[in-house]
Amino acid sequence: DIQMTQSPSSLSASVGDRVTITCRASQSISDYVNWYQQKPGKAPKVLIYAASSLPSGVPSRFSGSGSGTDFTLTISSLQPEDFAAYYCQQTYSTPRTFGQGTKVEIK
Amino acid sequence: QVQLQESGPGLVKPSETLSLTCTISGGSISRNYWTWIRQPPGKGLEWIGYVYHSGSTNYNPSLKSRVTISVDTSKNQSSLKLTSVTTADTAVYYCARPNGPWADALDIWGQGTMVTVSS
Repeated sequence: DIQMTQSPSSLSASVGDRVTITCRASQSISDYVNWYQQKPGKAPKVLIYAASSLPSGVPSRFSGSGSGTDFTLTISSLQPEDFAAYYCQQTYSTPRTFGQGTKVEIK
Repeated sequence: QVQLQESGPGLVKPSETLSLTCTISGGSISRNYWTWIRQPPGKGLEWIGYVYHSGSTNYNPSLKSRVTISVDTSKNQSSLKLTSVTTADTAVYYCARPNGPWADALDIWGQGTMVTVSS
């Protein structure tokens, strides 16, 4: 199985801050990484697919980068509605695996 | 607009079988394949497996001996069965649609259904 190591597990930040979350794969997975946002009591929502592509409707303050084993999700200017949990997922091989998650909290 | 809705018992006894259904509306089950994900309370996401409309499946090895995912094309539904459940199987269970052109990112999710394993 491919392990996805996500960090940090939690962070505190203020509105307007730039936030970076990283995910490292246990082997090279090209750009088969997706990022999700999950708010309490809700299903996850895809933010980034194929490492750096933004679905229609997702704000441009979200961006993704990386290839191979190291990937990053960046929120350029944190907004109140961005306080949530974030997960990376690899779809290079099965079983699909997720990172452990990052909880973004208000400072 | 494709929508997914999970349904099934919210309480299952230990050693029994958990059975859930995902009903697809607004689209045909035959146009995609369908994934099941679960999330224990306060924890992260775990991929359970997927099923194609043909019935072909792929399961997480950690659950493979206990899980069956199937489709009923006549009802536009996917089903999940998990046998010999324990308290560790207590979780919110989601069905979701992988989007092929999006590197199989899960672009549509059901709202999830909480299943508690308890006597």
